[in-house]
Amino acid sequence: SQQGEEDPQALSIQEGENATMNCSYKTSINNLQWYRQNSGRGLVHLILIRSNEREKHSGRLRVTLDTSKKSSSLLITASRAADTASYFCATDADDMRFGAGTRLTVKP
Amino acid sequence: DGGITQSPKYLFRKEGQNVTLSCEQNLNHDAMYWYRQDPGQGLRLIYYSQIVNDFQKGDIAEGYSVSREKKESFPLTVTSAQKNPTAFYLCASSPFPGLGTGELFFGEGSRLTVL
Repeated sequence: SQQGEEDPQALSIQEGENATMNCSYKTSINNLQWYRQNSGRGLVHLILIRSNEREKHSGRLRVTLDTSKKSSSLLITASRAADTASYFCATDADDMRFGAGTRLTVKP
Repeated sequence: DGGITQSPKYLFRKEGQNVTLSCEQNLNHDAMYWYRQDPGQGLRLIYYSQIVNDFQKGDIAEGYSVSREKKESFPLTVTSAQKNPTAFYLCASSPFPGLGTGELFFGEGSRLTVL
């Protein structure tokens, strides 16, 4: 019953560029969360956005939510090599099932 | 420091053997979860527990068993009935018992390899 689907599957950029990844879901939600996973490690929570919010910021992260399109985007500005990781979204509507994620590579 | 501790980090098992993965949290969280992750794939929910002495099956519970006798502990046993157990196992906890109502805190994972 996986719902959140990240896109693209992989993204490769140069340090200093912005990275945008997207998440689509299928049913109504109360909240959507983004997580990050470094290779071989556990997931780390980045940000939670509620259904009545359209945009949220945390440092170099910007998350938007469009409930009419059932989609969210995660923007990482001024990327660094240390941002290299996989990024996942999950919603409460799918009981915190996770998709395959977006694998981001930031080249120095 | 508060957090979730998974052990062992690496585990090798012979076919036909049961193994138990430990997950301990000192965050005083009610809910705990077990996920399985295969290379290049997302996380699949095995079991979750919203309160002590209660747990529910996730999407891929067959071949696995859990217990929740204490709030801080949620061990996962991978039984010989699990046909393809080689994977990365992640434990998580949440302060809120409802699925998806709050942030999940993850351990560092246990990598199980069947020889």
